[in-house]
Amino acid sequence: DVKVTQSSRYLVKRTGEKVFLECVQDMDHENMFWYRQDPGLGLRLIYFSYDVKMKEKGDIPEGYSVSREKKERFSLILESASTNQTSMYLCASSLTELTTDTQYFGPGTRLTVL
Amino acid sequence: SQQGEEDPQALSIQEGENATMNCSYKTSINNLQWYRQNSGRGLVHLILIRSNEREKHSGRLRVTLDTSKKSSSLLITASRAADTASYFCATVDGGSNYKLTFGKGTLLTVNP
Repeated sequence: DVKVTQSSRYLVKRTGEKVFLECVQDMDHENMFWYRQDPGLGLRLIYFSYDVKMKEKGDIPEGYSVSREKKERFSLILESASTNQTSMYLCASSLTELTTDTQYFGPGTRLTVL
Repeated sequence: SQQGEEDPQALSIQEGENATMNCSYKTSINNLQWYRQNSGRGLVHLILIRSNEREKHSGRLRVTLDTSKKSSSLLITASRAADTASYFCATVDGGSNYKLTFGKGTLLTVNP
C-alpha cells in the first residue's frame, strides 16, 4: 500500500515564524502535491512537483514556497506565517503524470498561526 | 478556481438507505474522480470515471457521468454508519495533465 506521511498532525506557530511542513511518500511516485483545506472552500492546490527540483504553482501559491530535493520528500514552507494561513494542509502523491492516476493523501497537518 | 460543486452540502440518512450525491462542473473534463474523507483525516480515492464512460460500479458505489449536462452522481447503496464522511468530486480538466480540481464536498451522515 502507498503510504504518505506528514511530519506533524497538529502544529501551532506564531505570526512571522518560518514554518516547514514535511511530506514523505514511499512508493517512488513522480508527482507530489500540497493542498490546503478550509471550511466552505474545499481543497485548493498550493503547489505541485512533477520531478525532483521541479515545481509548478497551483491556485493559491502566494505566501508559500516548496522544496523537492529528493523524490520521496516534498516540503511546504511558509516564509513568514500569518494568521490567514491557519488551515488544514494535505499532501498527496501520484505515480505518474497520467490523468487517470489516483492521488494518495497523507493524514493532514492542522496548522494554527497565532 | 473551483470546478466541481457537490450537492447537497449535507445529507443525513438511516443505515440501510441509499445515498446520492451530485457533482456539477463547468468546463470539459478528462475524467472525474470521487474521494472520501473521514473527519479530520486525509482523502481516500473511491472511483474514477473517464469522460467517455457513462456509468461505473465498485462494490456498493455507482457513479454516473453526463458530459452533456456536465454532471456526475455518486450512489452509495445499503449505507452503513462507517460510510459517514465527506465526499468530494474532483475533475481533471480537458486541457490539463494531472492537476485535480476539487469541489467543496458533501457531508454524509449515516445514522445507526
